[in-house]
Amino acid sequence: AQSVTQLGSHVSVSEGALVLLRCNYSSSVPPYLFWYVQYPNQGLQLLLKYTTGATLVKGINGFEAEFKKSETSFHLTKPSAHMSDAAEYFCAVSGETSGSRLTFGEGTQLTVNP
Amino acid sequence: GAGVSQSPSNKVTEKGKDVELRCDPISGHTALYWYRQSLGQGLEFLIYFQGNSAPDKSGLPSDRFSAERTGGSVSTLTIQRTQQEDSAVYLCASSVTGYPYEQYFGPGTRLTVT
Repeated sequence: AQSVTQLGSHVSVSEGALVLLRCNYSSSVPPYLFWYVQYPNQGLQLLLKYTTGATLVKGINGFEAEFKKSETSFHLTKPSAHMSDAAEYFCAVSGETSGSRLTFGEGTQLTVNP
Repeated sequence: GAGVSQSPSNKVTEKGKDVELRCDPISGHTALYWYRQSLGQGLEFLIYFQGNSAPDKSGLPSDRFSAERTGGSVSTLTIQRTQQEDSAVYLCASSVTGYPYEQYFGPGTRLTVT
């Protein structure tokens, strides 16, 4: 079985500060990892994904994440937060044994203060 | 091109009534997924279609839930004899052809059972 843990259900940063959202996963097979963002009353939008190859992946809106197998982590970062980054962020994993389903973490609500 | 669309956007129903939720995937996407998002349970996988077949429906919470897909396109999620615990946002997603491709989400249907 696969699982995802997002440390911190709420994260608050100042505009211009570093954003760091934590994600750890459990998987018995090489995982595929995703970060999605959800704005109020909207669906989920893919920020970035890791499948194979380069462990540092870059996504939209200046976000990036690094896959660290030894730490079973896939933390999301952005060097400088914008007000428009305020949203809920979900880390998700899929793997060959789970078919095509995504298993999501509980989500992290990001607040950006002016 | 057009994204994933869902209808209705909001549905209020009385306990015990049946409801149907509709999903129109992105044209050409053979894989379609239903997820449920609720306060207590987070984002949960319900069912996965590849074409018109459902190789994974292990996430359906009870036999009151069913889903079908016709013509390899539109899908309908039906909930019979709705209960208050069915209140949630039901999200549909599609992808080119399943694992490991990314899933594109619709805006969701907010279901409220009174």
